[in-house]
Amino acid sequence: DTEVTQTPKHLVMGMTNKKSLKCEQHMGHRAMYWYKQKAKKPPELMFVYSYEKLSINESVPSRFSPECPNSSLLNLHLHALQPEDSALYLCASSQGLTLLNEQFFGPGTRLTVL
Amino acid sequence: AQSVAQPEDQVNVAEGNPLTVKCTYSVSGNPYLFWYVQYPNRGLQFLLKYITGDNLVKGSYGFEAEFNKSQTSFHLKKPSALVSDSALYFCAVRPGRGDDKIIFGKGTRLHILP
Repeated sequence: DTEVTQTPKHLVMGMTNKKSLKCEQHMGHRAMYWYKQKAKKPPELMFVYSYEKLSINESVPSRFSPECPNSSLLNLHLHALQPEDSALYLCASSQGLTLLNEQFFGPGTRLTVL
Repeated sequence: AQSVAQPEDQVNVAEGNPLTVKCTYSVSGNPYLFWYVQYPNRGLQFLLKYITGDNLVKGSYGFEAEFNKSQTSFHLKKPSALVSDSALYFCAVRPGRGDDKIIFGKGTRLHILP
């Protein structure tokens, strides 16, 4: 299985809602990533987990809360988001954090905040 | 500062003609270079990478890229374009030392004309 899956595909939420994005991979990868991508822009790194521990937080607002329950799963908990947080949220994984490894991306969750 | 540049927002090529998508980089140390492709409403897909060795790297779907150290470039090429190659292409670099992050270029939209 060389796939990264993400659910849901689309999510619409109000500014007072709490929701979660899910990501799963079964490639045995030990590094997992969350990116935010605005239309026609490159992905922006948000968080990196290495061996289920948070290793990089790119100064992301606390209304985004990542969680890595096990080596195959990555969640992104959302609370009190703003309309400007509307974007495509991409999950990725790689075999490790070494500089040589390419990342495998999921199809993304298209988030709209009303 | 570490950076990667894709000087063209869009490249138009007739089907069957060769295509080139340009990428230049600026990093300290030896770079690790990647190309990714993104189809509409999808995540990024890995195409190829340069780590070391032969300057000409072959990747998926008939794409190749040439690493040129003196010009700090890593242009993506394909001898004969297909309409299905139409997508958004991202060049990315991981600086050779001391940084786990990947830096993406802004992206180049490739439009293959039938």
